[in-house]
Parts: sequence; C-alpha cells; structure tokens
Amino acid sequence: AQSVTQPDIHITVSEGASLELRCNYSYGATPYLFWYVQSPGQGLQLLLKYFSGDTLVQGIKGFEAEFKRSQSSFNLRKPSVHWSDAAEYFCAVGIGPSGGGADGLTFGKGTHLIIQP
Amino acid sequence: DAGVTQSPTHLIKTRGQQVTLRCSPKSGHDTVSWYQQALGQGPQFIFQYYEEEERQRGNFPDRFSGHQFPNYSSELNVNALLLGDSALYLCASSLAQGRTEAFFGQGTRLTVV
Repeated sequence: AQSVTQPDIHITVSEGASLELRCNYSYGATPYLFWYVQSPGQGLQLLLKYFSGDTLVQGIKGFEAEFKRSQSSFNLRKPSVHWSDAAEYFCAVGIGPSGGGADGLTFGKGTHLIIQP
Repeated sequence: DAGVTQSPTHLIKTRGQQVTLRCSPKSGHDTVSWYQQALGQGPQFIFQYYEEEERQRGNFPDRFSGHQFPNYSSELNVNALLLGDSALYLCASSLAQGRTEAFFGQGTRLTVV
C-alpha cells in the first residue's frame, strides 16, 4: 500500500522568507502527487499536482513543487511567504488509473505553517 | 459554479445514534469520495462512489455506508456512532475519466457525545 510522510509537523518562517515543505512517498510505480492547503475549519484547496512530464510543477499562490523519483520526494516551495500562507499543508498520493483524483487519495499527516511577522 | 457543497456544516450526535451527511458534487463531476479527518490528522479515505455504486473502499468498518443518487449527489451514513467517530467529514468530487484532481467541500464537523 502507498504511504506519505511529511516529516515536519510544524514549521515557522518569517514573512518574506523562503519556504520548503518536505514530502516523501512510498509506492512501487510513479504516483500522482498533490499538495493541498487547509485553513482552520475549512476544506482542502488544491495548490498543485503532478501527473507526468516536467518534474517541476507550478501551482497557485506562487507555490511550486519538484518531483524527484530517485528520492521519492515531492517537496513544496515558495520563494517568499506572506502572512496569509499560514495554514495546514497536506501532501497526497493517488494511484488510480484515472489520474488519482477519481480514486482514493492517501494523505500525509500535514505540516502546520506558522508565519512570523 | 457552487463547487462541492456539504450539509450540514456542524452536527452533534449521541453515542449509539445514526447520522447521515450529504454532498453535492461540483457541476459536471460524476464521482464522489468521502474522507474522515480527525483533529490534527490528515484526511483518511472512507470510500468512493461512481455510477451509483461503491467503487473503492478504505479501511473503515461496515458501520460506514453510503449512497450515490442519479444526479451524482451522495450520502454518507454512519451507524452506532462511537466517540471516536468525531471528526471533520470531507466530500470530494472528480471525473472518472481523464486526469483530474479532486475538489473538496468545506466539510461537516461531527461531534459525538
């Protein structure tokens, strides 16, 4: 069965500083990879996704992520964070033949991002 | 486009009772998945419905059941509620065909007392 590890439970970053959130997955083949963001009491919003092709993917709100097959990683980055980026971030993997969205996703436990003024 | 809508937003039930949660998928989507998110945890996949049938199921007991209607909307039913069923229940919709991501609703917060 596939699994997702987000090793950092909490990360604190100063506003304007760069950000990298780590995600490692375990799966025998190339998975479909996603990053979602969740504000308190809210649902999940998709930041970006990787299905195939270019290993560096661009998402919304200035986020990007890089798929590294050799490291089984899909780390999320942002060059300069804003106070509004404070939220919970989840990495997820899907293995379905229809592309991951139409089959069950496996989520990591999340990373809580705190932004210092 | 209203996106994925869930009702109710909050619910309080007593242990042993039964509960029904509802979800309307994003316009044009034909597949609905349900997730349970306990406090401080990532969402866990419960099951998925397509063409009014359960297509895939996660590691949840039979107390959790569902239904999908011809208009693609869906219900999640939980019987014999336990305190441990307290969680945010998220519905996600997607398209069965092609490479599409799942869109999530705002969730239903269930508290079992």
